[in-house]
Amino acid sequence: QQPVQSPQAVILREGEDAVINCSSSKALYSVHWYRQKHGEAPVFLMILLKGGEQKGHEKISASFNEKKQQSSLYLTASQLSYSGTYFCGTDSYGNNRLAFGRGNQVVVIP
Amino acid sequence: GAGVSQSPSNKVTEKGKDVELRCDPISGHTALYWYRQSLGQGLEFLIYFQGNSAPDKSGLPSDRFSAERTGGSVSTLTIQRTQQEDSAVYLCASSLGLAESYEQYFGPGTRLTVT
Repeated sequence: QQPVQSPQAVILREGEDAVINCSSSKALYSVHWYRQKHGEAPVFLMILLKGGEQKGHEKISASFNEKKQQSSLYLTASQLSYSGTYFCGTDSYGNNRLAFGRGNQVVVIP
Repeated sequence: GAGVSQSPSNKVTEKGKDVELRCDPISGHTALYWYRQSLGQGLEFLIYFQGNSAPDKSGLPSDRFSAERTGGSVSTLTIQRTQQEDSAVYLCASSLGLAESYEQYFGPGTRLTVT
């Protein structure tokens, strides 16, 4: 029940926009997004909950289509610090037991 | 405040040996999770704890893997008779509770290499 993330990799120039996607085959209670830089632990970005509530720490926006079991993360006016691998974790049990996708590798160049 | 800590940061062991990996969660976090990340792969769920109880052990790859949590705090993941395919980074995370609205905070991981 691992979610599918796309595209696998994206390269963009500083200031450009990108969208990365996460799709599940199961009904979801929530979608969590994390970013991991090489050799570091994943860092929390955002939670999107069934019903429309969102929680996040950074100025990154996201959407959650409950009917399609899909979530998208919008990287707007990208900065060099946005580089890393983005993982979505999906909760289909309502108990925070997350299934993670393989990740979207994002590279922002000057 | 202090984050999630894990020890050791690196462990090299010979095939067939047992290893213990330790996780210290954030104080006050009742939920604790173990994941495994192989090179270039996503995070594979292994097990989670609510307090000292592990309601779901279905993610453990084999009966060589076990985990416990004591005092609602420190957790230990034990791998017996290690195999080369066990080589990976083992990540621990904690959260305030099990509700779907709680973010998970990850530790730096233990890199396990089985030779």
